Amino acid sequence: DQQVKQNSPSLSVQEGRISILNCDYTNSMFDYFLWYKKYPAEGPTFLISISSIKDKNEDGRFTVFLNKSAKHLSLHIVPSQPGDSAVYFCAASADFRGGADGLTFGKGTHLIIQP
Amino acid sequence: KAGVTQTPRYLIKTRGQQVTLSCSPISGHRSVSWYQQTPGQGLQFLFEYFSETQRNKGNFPGRFSGRQFSNSRSEMNVSTLELGDSALYLCASSKAGPLYNEQFFGPGTRLTVL
Repeated sequence: DQQVKQNSPSLSVQEGRISILNCDYTNSMFDYFLWYKKYPAEGPTFLISISSIKDKNEDGRFTVFLNKSAKHLSLHIVPSQPGDSAVYFCAASADFRGGADGLTFGKGTHLIIQP
Repeated sequence: KAGVTQTPRYLIKTRGQQVTLSCSPISGHRSVSWYQQTPGQGLQFLFEYFSETQRNKGNFPGRFSGRQFSNSRSEMNVSTLELGDSALYLCASSKAGPLYNEQFFGPGTRLTVL
């Protein structure tokens, strides 16, 4: 049973436009959410996070939105750049300090930025 | 500052064998977590070590084990390998526990079981 779901395995966006990556979760105990970016042959890199006490967190071109009632979060990248082409993982935890179950990841969305 | 290193980067084994993977965390980091990445299941948490003690464990069979040394380096062992163990194994380190926004991943070890 997948507790964190990324329903789009891939997404293609034109350079300069907005990229929106979506993530849904089922475990109501999750209260801390993260996005990671992964290039081939490299480990995931932390991108941005959000606590459940917030509904938005912004860092430069990256904004994460959290809708707790819908158990849904999204990552917006504006404007999209060629270097953003990567696999993006959504992850969740019941405790930002480190839950007993570690991080629960989605299966990832492969973002392709078209020139 | 050197990043998280994992050795070997690639490994091919046959069913029934055992394998040991190594992870060297960033200097000063005491927490090491291990994850398995497969196309079907995505990234799944294996276990976390802190100060040579396993603190947290995911839902994997006992064939998967690990340990951490006094210098914080960690190894994971998989015994009696199965075809389904073919995966990318990632380790991640952080200073004092898996503070996730301060967790750094290594490049992974690609294990292929034939």
